[in-house]
Amino acid sequence: GAVVSQHPSRVICKSGTSVKIECRSLDFQATTMFWYRQFPKQSLMLMATSNEGSKATYEQGVEKDKFLINHASLTLSTLTVTSAHPEDSSFYICSARLLTPLEQYFGPGTRLTVT
Amino acid sequence: AQTVTQSQPEMSVQEAETVTLSCTYDTSESDYYLFWYKQPPSRQMILVIRQEAYKQQNATENRFSVNFQKAAKSFSLKISDSQLGDAAMYFCAYRSSNYGQNFVFGPGTRLSVLP
Repeated sequence: GAVVSQHPSRVICKSGTSVKIECRSLDFQATTMFWYRQFPKQSLMLMATSNEGSKATYEQGVEKDKFLINHASLTLSTLTVTSAHPEDSSFYICSARLLTPLEQYFGPGTRLTVT
Repeated sequence: AQTVTQSQPEMSVQEAETVTLSCTYDTSESDYYLFWYKQPPSRQMILVIRQEAYKQQNATENRFSVNFQKAAKSFSLKISDSQLGDAAMYFCAYRSSNYGQNFVFGPGTRLSVLP
């Protein structure tokens, strides 16, 4: 299957700083990428849908000014957590979709810890 | 809005035995897709099996099979000949056939495999 990578796999940052997480589709072009957040022992919650060349669509309750998403190319989407706070500590997972609804691949996730 | 319910937070099975994980969903759509994803301790989401709602035949993938009951909106996963490597969180997911829609995940079932 297709491969999606995320970088970094783990990051620790201080409260008030910003951190960027990259999501790349390595062997295919993804017009649409998705960002999820997963708190410990919970399910994945969709944060936003990112379409190449256009603004991201955020789910209700997700602050667009805090979680900046950029999808500048067909193989790269970035999530920037601005002015991070300890409550933003979580596991962030991206996924990338090919043309059909059945073809969606997940990255390995990024564990963010805000101290 | 669609919802996915997994009524078993935790399950255990003896190695080589068979276990069934339950999933029910709620939707008013007639065409959609259902998935089972496995999330091992590495946190990488792994597709186990998928089912198109328009197909009456239950999907099978080696030791994994589903019992899809469309009228009852039920989608259970059967794991045969359980192996230690099957131990993980299992998420049931619903996806509309509408291209713009994304996954709706259930809360997950933690499966333990006992040697």
